[in-house]
Amino acid sequence: IVLTQSPVSLPVTPGESASISCRSSQSLVRVNGYNYLDWYLQKPGQSPQLLIYLGSHRASGVPDRFSGSGSGPDFTLNISRVAVEDVGVYYCMQARQTPLTFGQGTKLEI
Amino acid sequence: QVYLVESGGGVVQPGRPLRLSCEVSGFNLSDNAMHWVRQAPGEGLEWVALVSHGGKNKEYRDSVKGRFSISTDDSKKTVFLQMSGLTAGDTAVYYCAKDRGQRTGSLDSWGQGTLVTVSS
Repeated sequence: IVLTQSPVSLPVTPGESASISCRSSQSLVRVNGYNYLDWYLQKPGQSPQLLIYLGSHRASGVPDRFSGSGSGPDFTLNISRVAVEDVGVYYCMQARQTPLTFGQGTKLEI
Repeated sequence: QVYLVESGGGVVQPGRPLRLSCEVSGFNLSDNAMHWVRQAPGEGLEWVALVSHGGKNKEYRDSVKGRFSISTDDSKKTVFLQMSGLTAGDTAVYYCAKDRGQRTGSLDSWGQGTLVTVSS
């Protein structure tokens, strides 16, 4: 399954909102009806961290300014009130089937 | 608190084997699937392998099938990635990651990574 993210680079001003898109080449729905699409953030020099799972569920400890939406093939990560600490590369990833695959990444810059 | 600590990386000659380890704490390997994900220098993320909770089922990306083997030792709370037939294309930071459940595919905790450099 191929995931295509856009944009590749996203310059933002703190306090503004930002959106990242992820398009899937195939359905990401498993038999339970959920879309197996996650969002990860890799901050500079750090390991990736899970932000959103099953398309719209925030992971533990993730601020509520992060939200995920969409259904196949188009998914969106929205960040309201971007903060300086949100800089890094955002990846979408499909967990519908192996091999798990990632989008190419979107670099959010302040 | 969940922790994952990888070790075993380093510089290895092409064709030589290498074993990576991931020691975990804060949860049981019998409860969660575990994954290895790699990132080549300056590149994006690439899933490598998974082992199911309890260690019975294993899956790999095509490019490492037959060369890499994932396993767990519950008593040592460690996940291993045995790598053989290494090529320059395997050069990457290798991350160990915990599945959110038994086989959800969502990776909710990651280690700090260990760098593998394949070079003569």
